[in-house]
Amino acid sequence: DAGVIQSPRHEVTEMGQEVTLRCKPISGHNSLFWYRQTMMRGLELLIYFNNNVPIDDSGMPEDRFSAKMPNASFSTLKIQPSEPRDSAVYFCASTTSGFSTDTQYFGPGTRLTVL
Amino acid sequence: AQSVAQPEDQVNVAEGNPLTVKCTYSVSGNPYLFWYVQYPNRGLQFLLKYITGDNLVKGSYGFEAEFNKSQTSFHLKKPSALVSDSALYFCAVGGYQKVTFGTGTKLQVIP
Repeated sequence: DAGVIQSPRHEVTEMGQEVTLRCKPISGHNSLFWYRQTMMRGLELLIYFNNNVPIDDSGMPEDRFSAKMPNASFSTLKIQPSEPRDSAVYFCASTTSGFSTDTQYFGPGTRLTVL
Repeated sequence: AQSVAQPEDQVNVAEGNPLTVKCTYSVSGNPYLFWYVQYPNRGLQFLLKYITGDNLVKGSYGFEAEFNKSQTSFHLKKPSALVSDSALYFCAVGGYQKVTFGTGTKLQVIP
């Protein structure tokens, strides 16, 4: 199994530009999570989906952030417009069912730098 | 609300010595407890979890953790540390809500 795939691995952009991060979960997994990791705030859950439906987006920082999961094998996290404080590593993770007993499988992350 | 505390930002241990990384939790109902490890420039990797049963859980790479309900703790241990164990370790708790991660503990194993 290829594991969770994220692209791009690195993204450098200028303030005000739109940024789209992509994630392909493990085949057969029904839940997908987006996290943000910074030195100051640690690992933060932004949003998670179950069966392609957003269940909890309370961690999305503001309206500039949006996430979609059009099908079971693809999700995007979009930031528009981007700001320097969005600079972080963004992780995607998937689980088999979304229960809190499930092991989460993380992707390698996308390192975002907003200048 | 559920929460996890990792009281040490960093733990230093000499190679070959036993190591302990501490974790305490707070959750309503039965706790589901996890340890993950993150190597530099990588995503988090699952080490072990406690759902129910034996309080001593064995995981990957020789790590183990002991669930202590009375102390609400789930400390990660290894009998003999390796330099390659140097990484960032996260404890996490799941209850009826989503899984909550701790802030992480950096483990430095000194040759």
